[in-house]
Amino acid sequence: GAGVSQTPSNKVTEKGKYVELRCDPISGHTALYWYRQSLGQGPEFLIYFQGTGAADDSGLPNDRFFAVRPEGSVSTLKIQRTERGDSAVYLCASSSSGTSGGNEQFFGPGTRLTVL
Amino acid sequence: AQSVTQLDSQVPVFEEAPVELRCNYSSSVSVYLFWYVQYPNQGLQLLLKYLSGSTLVESINGFEAEFNKSQTSFHLRKPSVHISDTAEYFCAVTPTRLSGGYNKLIFGAGTRLAVHP
Repeated sequence: GAGVSQTPSNKVTEKGKYVELRCDPISGHTALYWYRQSLGQGPEFLIYFQGTGAADDSGLPNDRFFAVRPEGSVSTLKIQRTERGDSAVYLCASSSSGTSGGNEQFFGPGTRLTVL
Repeated sequence: AQSVTQLDSQVPVFEEAPVELRCNYSSSVSVYLFWYVQYPNQGLQLLLKYLSGSTLVESINGFEAEFNKSQTSFHLRKPSVHISDTAEYFCAVTPTRLSGGYNKLIFGAGTRLAVHP
């Protein structure tokens, strides 16, 4: 596929459980971003990867959230001990380079997480 | 720090009527500006962007936006809307001088455009 893909598209879990959300960026894109979109709000930045390293994780709300990108391509967002307030749509975006502010970020369709 | 305000959460309009979606931003540094669109059950797509040069930028489907530095605005307009323009529209900014070498986007809350026949 040519675009950013995210799996699963929907995830329902119970409070306290662990979840993993996956993002497959566009092939060759070195920059990868995670955003979170709560109901009625715009996306909010969570974390940015340039290659394999997390260059900025300042948007992660707390230490229950963690993300990896071990081979510089696929990324996984991990949430421990989920809470109802974590319910949101989690968006992944990639761009060909993070080093130019004008580079377009291409977004995936998102994963809708619902914590019961 | 930057912030983006979209003054209207919802804009209902009849088909073939003109529309303006408002966006204002706050920033102590220069920014690039973007409009993204999210059609029902689809991901965010870039509609248009302002980086430099002419303050009026256009998209391929008839939308345009004008960067007004003095008013810190980047309003989106279309002279005649179609049913297919029904979507959520997000205004976003990022600093022109990268901090840390990357460009995280700061989004507004979005405006839902509903085009009625």
